[in-house]
Amino acid sequence: QVQLQESGPGLVKPSETLSLTCTVSGGSISDSYSFSYWNWVRQPPGKGLEWIGSISYSGNTKDNPSLKGRVTLSSDTSQNQFSLRLSSVTDADTAVYYCARVSSNGGFDSWGQGTLVTVSP
Amino acid sequence: DVQMTQSPPILSASVGDRVTITCRASQSIAIWVAWYQQRPGKAPKFLIYKASTLESGVPSRFSGSGSGTEFTLTISNLQPEDFATYYCQQYNNYPRTFGQGTKVEI
Repeated sequence: QVQLQESGPGLVKPSETLSLTCTVSGGSISDSYSFSYWNWVRQPPGKGLEWIGSISYSGNTKDNPSLKGRVTLSSDTSQNQFSLRLSSVTDADTAVYYCARVSSNGGFDSWGQGTLVTVSP
Repeated sequence: DVQMTQSPPILSASVGDRVTITCRASQSIAIWVAWYQQRPGKAPKFLIYKASTLESGVPSRFSGSGSGTEFTLTISNLQPEDFATYYCQQYNNYPRTFGQGTKVEI
């Protein structure tokens, strides 16, 4: 069973770049025959879920236009990790950030536990 | 973007009740809808995909239906552990979008 774990700073200053990494165990992020996509989803305190973006097993990326080009997604297959960078953060980016897998069934079927990132001076 | 509108925002119920949550999409998304359960302080849990297919291990009291623009999640015989917030999500289009959530409370 695949497991995901987010890591990264819990506090980021306004205008700086938020960087998070998701480490995957129990499955390979470059496994092509599982049709897996690796995603970031966030949830501001007390609010709903927002999809940030995804990176495929082959390294193709998609991100949410609402984030206005501030998102960079990458992967490191040697470490079985994928990463998120969100630039020019403001307090509106304060949220719990989750990494999650989409497999052949199309839904987010495995999730990390989430990590709270606070944007504050 | 495809907007997903859930109703009601809050649903008050009792153990043993049957409850239904509705999710409406702003355009047709065929059957490409998933449902999630989220308990406080926890990551969402995957319940249903393709509108009506139960994920392995999810109790059979959960069921989903719908196609096109209207979808429902029904929980029969509500159990104490079912009191949580439920989200629908479409995966027919990018960006992937979620409903705003329905809190099922006692």
